[in-house]
Amino acid sequence: DGGITQSPKYLFRKEGQNVTLSCEQNLNHDAMYWYRQDPGQGLRLIYYSQIVNDFQKGDIAEGYSVSREKKESFPLTVTSAQKNPTAFYLCASSYQAGGRFEQYFGPGTRLTVT
Amino acid sequence: KQEVTQIPAALSVPEGENLVLNCSFTDSAIYNLQWFRQDPGKGLTSLLLIQSSQREQTSGRLNASLDKSSGRSTLYIAASQPGDSATYLCAGHFTGGGNKLTFGTGTQLKVEL
Repeated sequence: DGGITQSPKYLFRKEGQNVTLSCEQNLNHDAMYWYRQDPGQGLRLIYYSQIVNDFQKGDIAEGYSVSREKKESFPLTVTSAQKNPTAFYLCASSYQAGGRFEQYFGPGTRLTVT
Repeated sequence: KQEVTQIPAALSVPEGENLVLNCSFTDSAIYNLQWFRQDPGKGLTSLLLIQSSQREQTSGRLNASLDKSSGRSTLYIAASQPGDSATYLCAGHFTGGGNKLTFGTGTQLKVEL
């Protein structure tokens, strides 16, 4: 089955620890994205990557880091510098062809930091 | 700055009713408009995508329209069912916005028995 996988589904960490969220896709999409979703707020873009070995900051990149060493993988590290890391994190990928730009999402990872 | 707005934030309807969800955007230079469904605690599922050259798209009981001149898109759900209860989000891909989507905050729909 083609799609986007995120692991784990639930993640718990102590304050002050870095944590890495996994995102893998087998859709052969060039572009990948990380979003954060908080109750009552829309999706906010953290980082995105349009091609391997390249990525750009989104609207709320502070306290986060990413890497894109492989087309299929776009891990997100939530560092101890992120002031409010508890949230639902969504990974997405997109393709663009023939006037069509479409984005697909993974199932999400809920991170709780205490 | 492109903005996408969805009003109302929440909507409750009786089963069987036809309903319309609204999405408005500030930039008429829209490339694509994509509608998603999100169930609690889950990721987003793509429902329909309308390209700027199209006026509407249909999938089963769902029909989405796009009016660039008025900056509006609607998602029509026919004969609503309790299983349609979810949050519906629209997102625009705008010319000059790079390979990114601008999301609305969603309409939470509840279809009651």
